[in-house]
Amino acid sequence: QVQLRESGPGLVKPSETLSLSCTVSGDSISSYYWTWIRQPPGQGLEWIGYISYTGNTNYNPSLKSRLTLSLVTSKNQFSLKLNSVTAADTAVYFCARGGSSWLYWGQGTLVTVSS
Amino acid sequence: QSALTQPPSASGSPGQSVTISCTGTSSDVGGSNFVSWYQQHPNKAPKLMIYEVTKRPSGVPDRFSGSKSGNTASLTVSGLQAEDEADYYCSSFAGNDILFGGGTKLTVL
Repeated sequence: QVQLRESGPGLVKPSETLSLSCTVSGDSISSYYWTWIRQPPGQGLEWIGYISYTGNTNYNPSLKSRLTLSLVTSKNQFSLKLNSVTAADTAVYFCARGGSSWLYWGQGTLVTVSS
Repeated sequence: QSALTQPPSASGSPGQSVTISCTGTSSDVGGSNFVSWYQQHPNKAPKLMIYEVTKRPSGVPDRFSGSKSGNTASLTVSGLQAEDEADYYCSSFAGNDILFGGGTKLTVL
């Protein structure tokens, strides 16, 4: 049974870096594409980007200058780092398996950007 | 790139059929076979209902169906049930990127 679980700080200060990890169980990070998606409170879904099993990445153009996705193969995890955050980055962040459609999702983690 | 266009709301009575549209351009919906639909209940992760325009994952009732005509994709829910009340989102490949629709709140009257 494939399971994904997001982890990381729930509160980040403006201008700092938001860091999240997604731990995958029941599957190998060395297969498939892995995606991050976010949802601001009360709003719709926004694609953040994906990383392939080879480490190739594709980012949302609106976030590209601040975003880094990476694989942590030894821990069967993939991670997200978003620099210079503002209140507009406050959202529930989901990780998911796949590049263009997502059958398996994490439960989501709320990250609030506030001083 | 703009988000895909969905109606903000849709509704139907139990047993009826409802269709939700998702309109894009020839650069995304019109030119892609990778259109998906997601159901999201409050405070839950989205659930994949349709992928590659018309395909249903195992376990999704055949009351849910997808189609596409030109730059508009559609999700049809037949035989509406109370548990179908949720937000629905479409997504599409757009070149190298992924676009989402703004979401449609489906109400079962």
